[in-house]
Amino acid sequence: DIQMTQSPSTVSAFIGDRVTITCRASQTISNWLAWYQQKPGKAPKLLIYKASVLQGGVPSRFSGSGFGTEFTLTIDSLQADDFATYYCQQYDNYWTFGQGTKVEVK
Amino acid sequence: EVLLVQSGAGVKKPGESLRISCEASGYTYTKKWIAWVRQMPGKGLEWMGIVIPRDSDVRYNPSFQGQVTISVDTSINTAYLQWSSLKASDTAMYYCATLSDGMDVWGQGTMVIVSS
Repeated sequence: DIQMTQSPSTVSAFIGDRVTITCRASQTISNWLAWYQQKPGKAPKLLIYKASVLQGGVPSRFSGSGFGTEFTLTIDSLQADDFATYYCQQYDNYWTFGQGTKVEVK
Repeated sequence: EVLLVQSGAGVKKPGESLRISCEASGYTYTKKWIAWVRQMPGKGLEWMGIVIPRDSDVRYNPSFQGQVTISVDTSINTAYLQWSSLKASDTAMYYCATLSDGMDVWGQGTMVIVSS
């Protein structure tokens, strides 16, 4: 099984801040990595796939990078609509989610 | 527009059976795999299994193998997730999603509550 570990579990930030979330895979997954945003009571929303490709309609302040085992999601200039929980997911070998990172108001 | 519409919430007793559904529209049904994802209250996302509508093949997360059954009816563009004997620990929100690069379209979720 491929394990996905996100850090931090929670990040407190102000509107306008730059936020970075890290995701580590227990073995190499090439660039088969997706990021999701989930708000309370809502289904997850795909933000990024293939580690760095922005899903259609997703604001350009979101970006992803990484390859192999280490990946990052960056939100430039955090907006009020961005306070949510973010999950990474590998899809190199079946599918595994990270445990989630909550972005909260500082 | 690709849409997944899931069946409504269910409240069941332990030991009862249940089948929830996920109806797709807006695309050729056999071209996209469908995944089921569990989210227990206050917890993260867990992949349960996938169904390939083209040939009805099913793959399970080993953690859910034998606990649930996933199926599909391509004549009505609908995937199913079912339990033969629910447990209290099955209380969760269940989502279906289409698979491409990642899970790109999600249903609205079905809340299942199992309580005596």
